[in-house]
Amino acid sequence: AQSVTQLGSHVSVSEGALVLLRCNYSSSVPPYLFWYVQYPNQGLQLLLKYTSAATLVKGINGFEAEFKKSETSFHLTKPSAHMSDAAEYFCAVSVNSGYSTLTFGKGTMLLVSP
Amino acid sequence: GAVVSQHPSRVICKSGTSVKIECRSLDFQATTMFWYRQFPKQSLMLMATSNEGSKATYEQGVEKDKFLINHASLTLSTLTVTSAHPEDSSFYICSARVGTKGSDTQYFGPGTRLTVL
Repeated sequence: AQSVTQLGSHVSVSEGALVLLRCNYSSSVPPYLFWYVQYPNQGLQLLLKYTSAATLVKGINGFEAEFKKSETSFHLTKPSAHMSDAAEYFCAVSVNSGYSTLTFGKGTMLLVSP
Repeated sequence: GAVVSQHPSRVICKSGTSVKIECRSLDFQATTMFWYRQFPKQSLMLMATSNEGSKATYEQGVEKDKFLINHASLTLSTLTVTSAHPEDSSFYICSARVGTKGSDTQYFGPGTRLTVL
């Protein structure tokens, strides 16, 4: 079984500041890891995914995440926050090598202030 | 990219009535779609896996007779909430699988907000 823990239900940053959203996973087998973003009253949009290739994954909108097996982490970062980045972010895990059945974390709301 | 649509985006119904929600893959065929439920300020919970031409697979605790899923074509899955009650009010999101085993991705629809009065 897999699980995901997202530390911090809310993260506040100033525009232009570094964004760091934390995600730790638990999996008995090698995982696939995903970050999704959800804007209010909308579905989820895939930001990036890790599928056992490069440990540093670059996604859309300037986001990237690094897979660290020793720390069982997959934190999401962006060097400089924009107001448009304000949204809910979900980390998800699925089993490597099989079809993905996603297990989501509880989400982190990113708040960006001017 | 892969586009998934849902209809309606928002529905309000009376208690005891049934509501059908459609999930369509617009520019690709999806043999597998998923239905999730999201309560306010919470994460997505997988309800069921919808397989084209066969019965849906429900997650533990999800009533299959209450949440009827039909996947009659490669581009359409429907979720019918039967005899809806206020506690069924939620945000329902579908996704469609793209890709082969080990390299697949789920693309999500925009969601349907169900309010049961």
